[in-house]
Amino acid sequence: QVQLVQSGAEVRKPGASVKISCKASGYPFTYYDIHWVRQAPGQGLEWMGIVNPSGGSITYAQKFQGRVTMTRDTSTTTVYMELSSLTSEDTAVYYCARDQGGSCSSNSCSPGSWGQGTLVTVSS
Amino acid sequence: SYELTQPPSVSVSPGQTATITCSGDRLGDKYASWYQQKPGQSPVLVIYHDSKRPSGIPERFSGSNSGNPATLTISGTQAMDEADYYCQAWDSSTVVFGGGTKLTVL
Repeated sequence: QVQLVQSGAEVRKPGASVKISCKASGYPFTYYDIHWVRQAPGQGLEWMGIVNPSGGSITYAQKFQGRVTMTRDTSTTTVYMELSSLTSEDTAVYYCARDQGGSCSSNSCSPGSWGQGTLVTVSS
Repeated sequence: SYELTQPPSVSVSPGQTATITCSGDRLGDKYASWYQQKPGQSPVLVIYHDSKRPSGIPERFSGSNSGNPATLTISGTQAMDEADYYCQAWDSSTVVFGGGTKLTVL
């Protein structure tokens, strides 16, 4: 079955960086795009970007451009998300999710199966 | 930037039909998806491509996007359906989520 297993909770000081991993299994890794979505405490869902594990193409949400880096390792079927210059407003649960349809097309893109989430706490 | 608007809360009695709306500019020209999230859990996709249900999602969940707003309908609502629900669309190579609707079953 499809599984996305994320790395554990992290605590960082303001100004630091954090790198979260998302290991995929149970399906052909290169066939499905991987989304990153975050959720601040008591808030809604916020999309951060998407990685195509096959060709490596990446699209970042404009809000995070210049501060986020998403990468993938096909040998370990793992996708990574690194966020830098952290502030308290980055305190959130970060999720990876496999796209429902495979690769996002011109008119369809939806996170389908989700990881368990990784809590990142930014505090001095 | 594109925005999706949902009511903050909806209440329904057990066994009745719950309807959650999602509004956005020309949303009918896009595909809408819906997610259920219970406290402390990851979101679960319940509807994609306007009206398709992923495997394992009960038939009481249905979706429509023939105009504006898009709607998520839960027929015969059960206590276990109490959760936050988010709509989502894809616009200009960006995934956009609505602000979420808290569904209360009482």
